[in-house]
Amino acid sequence: AQSVTQLGSHVSVSEGALVLLRCNYSSSVPPYLFWYVQYPNQGLQLLLKYTSAATLVKGINGFEAEFKKSETSFHLTKPSAHMSDAAEYFCAVSVPNTGNQFYFGTGTSLTVIP
Amino acid sequence: DAGITQSPRHKVTETGTPVTLRCHQTENHRYMYWYRQDPGHGLRLIHYSYGVKDTDKGEVSDGYSVSRSKTEDFLLTLESATSSQTSVYFCAISERTGGTEAFFGQGTRLTVV
Repeated sequence: AQSVTQLGSHVSVSEGALVLLRCNYSSSVPPYLFWYVQYPNQGLQLLLKYTSAATLVKGINGFEAEFKKSETSFHLTKPSAHMSDAAEYFCAVSVPNTGNQFYFGTGTSLTVIP
Repeated sequence: DAGITQSPRHKVTETGTPVTLRCHQTENHRYMYWYRQDPGHGLRLIHYSYGVKDTDKGEVSDGYSVSRSKTEDFLLTLESATSSQTSVYFCAISERTGGTEAFFGQGTRLTVV
């Protein structure tokens, strides 16, 4: 099975500060990579995805992520945090030719301090 | 929003009783998934389906069974509910392989007492 590691189960940033959420994966082949956001009592919503095109991927709400094969990482960033960014964030991978299964990290809870 | 409906949204049941959760989609997507979400564990795959009557186990399948008799419906059954199965259950769908994303339902909060 593939594995996804999200460093930091809780991250706090001040409003207007840089958001950096870390994700590392293990896979013998380049995977497809995803970031999802979950607001309280809701399902998961896709923020962005990497599918072997440009390594810098832009998503919704000003988020972006960079695929770095040499570091097996796909960290999520946003230049300036808003209060509305407070949520749970999940990194996920899907490995080609393995049945289209999605493997998720344990999540990072983002708090934005006014 | 993807057309995914989970029912019920909330359920309290007693230990030892069978429970069935339903996921209904209107997108005609091939792949359907059941995940459970628990604090500190993220989302873990229970079972998934890659077509009508085609299902396979995920990483936490013990105590669960699934059925998919129609493209649009994917049922998750807890054969004899235990307190360890208290969780939030999410259904997801995906159209095809090749990097397409999964779309998630709103979740079912199940409490086993």
